[in-house]
Amino acid sequence: AQSVTQPDIHITVSEGASLELRCNYSYGATPYLFWYVQSPGQGLQLLLKYFSGDTLVQGIKGFEAEFKRSQSSFNLRKPSVHWSDAAEYFCAVGLTGGFKTIFGAGTRLFVKA
Amino acid sequence: DAGVIQSPRHEVTEMGQEVTLRCKPISGHDYLFWYRQTMMRGLELLIYFNNNVPIDDSGMPEDRFSAKMPNASFSTLKIQPSEPRDSAVYFCASSGGTVSYNEQFFGPGTRLTVL
Repeated sequence: AQSVTQPDIHITVSEGASLELRCNYSYGATPYLFWYVQSPGQGLQLLLKYFSGDTLVQGIKGFEAEFKRSQSSFNLRKPSVHWSDAAEYFCAVGLTGGFKTIFGAGTRLFVKA
Repeated sequence: DAGVIQSPRHEVTEMGQEVTLRCKPISGHDYLFWYRQTMMRGLELLIYFNNNVPIDDSGMPEDRFSAKMPNASFSTLKIQPSEPRDSAVYFCASSGGTVSYNEQFFGPGTRLTVL
């Protein structure tokens, strides 16, 4: 069965430090992969997506993610975190043959001054 | 474009009452999704439509929940009768048209509290 695992429920980083949020997926076909961000009281907003091609994808707000097929991973990174990045981050897999998407449980990011 | 519009933004009701949540998708999108988000269960897909037709309602928790999409610009999620355990944030999202495959655009959500 298809699934998305985000092993970290929450992460705390200092402002200016680097960030990596982990995501592993289970899906038999070529995955369509996404990272969304949710700020408090808001809906989810797309950060970046991977469909094919270059395995390192760039997104908005200085985020990037790398698709590693051998590890079934799609980790999100940012070289220098800003206080405004504090939010919840969701990794997701889009299923082929339709538009259904499976979301991970989310990782809440806290940024300390 | 105004994005996905949901109403109301907040709803407080008493157990046993009927609740109707509304959604207007982005114009031109032919997929519409309803999600429920809680602390315990995270983000759950309840049902989704394609061209106004329900495709997968396997996430609808009980017969108390029903969803309709009478036209391409409007959908409702109804709970009748409501129960305290239905308290959650309900999101509507849309996709399709010229956007990238699978990318979904979310509304701001409706926070439902059932007393």
